[in-house]
Amino acid sequence: ELQLVESGGVVVQPGGSLRLSCAASGFTFDDYAMHWVRQAPGKGLEWVALISWDGAYVHYADSVKGRFTISRDNSKRSLYMQMSSLRAEDAALYYCAKGFGSSAASWVDYWGQGTLVTVSS
Amino acid sequence: QTVVTQEPSFSVSPGGTVTLTCGLSSGSVSTSYYPTWYQQTPGQAPRTLIYSTKTRSSGVPDRFSGSILGNKAALTITGAQAEDESDYYCVLYMGSGIWVFGGGTKLTVL
Repeated sequence: ELQLVESGGVVVQPGGSLRLSCAASGFTFDDYAMHWVRQAPGKGLEWVALISWDGAYVHYADSVKGRFTISRDNSKRSLYMQMSSLRAEDAALYYCAKGFGSSAASWVDYWGQGTLVTVSS
Repeated sequence: QTVVTQEPSFSVSPGGTVTLTCGLSSGSVSTSYYPTWYQQTPGQAPRTLIYSTKTRSSGVPDRFSGSILGNKAALTITGAQAEDESDYYCVLYMGSGIWVFGGGTKLTVL
């Protein structure tokens, strides 16, 4: 069974840093692009970042570019998001999501359950 | 910055048909945008319904269908059921590795 399990969500102060992790199982992790998608409380989905199957290509939403870094370790079947200079508007449930294929044009086909990031002083 | 547009809310009667749309603030949606549709109920992670315009995801009932209607992507529910009351989101591929979600449509079945 395919599983994506996020962790690392905590309460962090504005301007702080945080690293999210996602452990993948049930599929050949290094065959697929991976995404992070977030959802602020009571709001809609927002695409955040994508990484290609091999980590060679990364892409970000303008709202996080320069502050967030997506990465992956295929040997550990894990996806990461390093978040810095956090703002109140970054508070959200962060979903790890699997791409349909290996390239950037790979829509999300499976979702984790999310990890909650709260930004508050 | 291109905005992906969706109806904020829609209502359908049980057994009825409803079409939700996904458009662009500028331009037309085509299959090249790989329009994909998700369903989300409160407290749950999204579920993939339709991908790449019209392909149903595994296990999705055939009352859900996707298409391009005019200059928008469309999700049609034929024979709506009470359990279809959910939020529906579309996402479009803008190229250069960038995806953008619509604001979502809250569907009420009553």
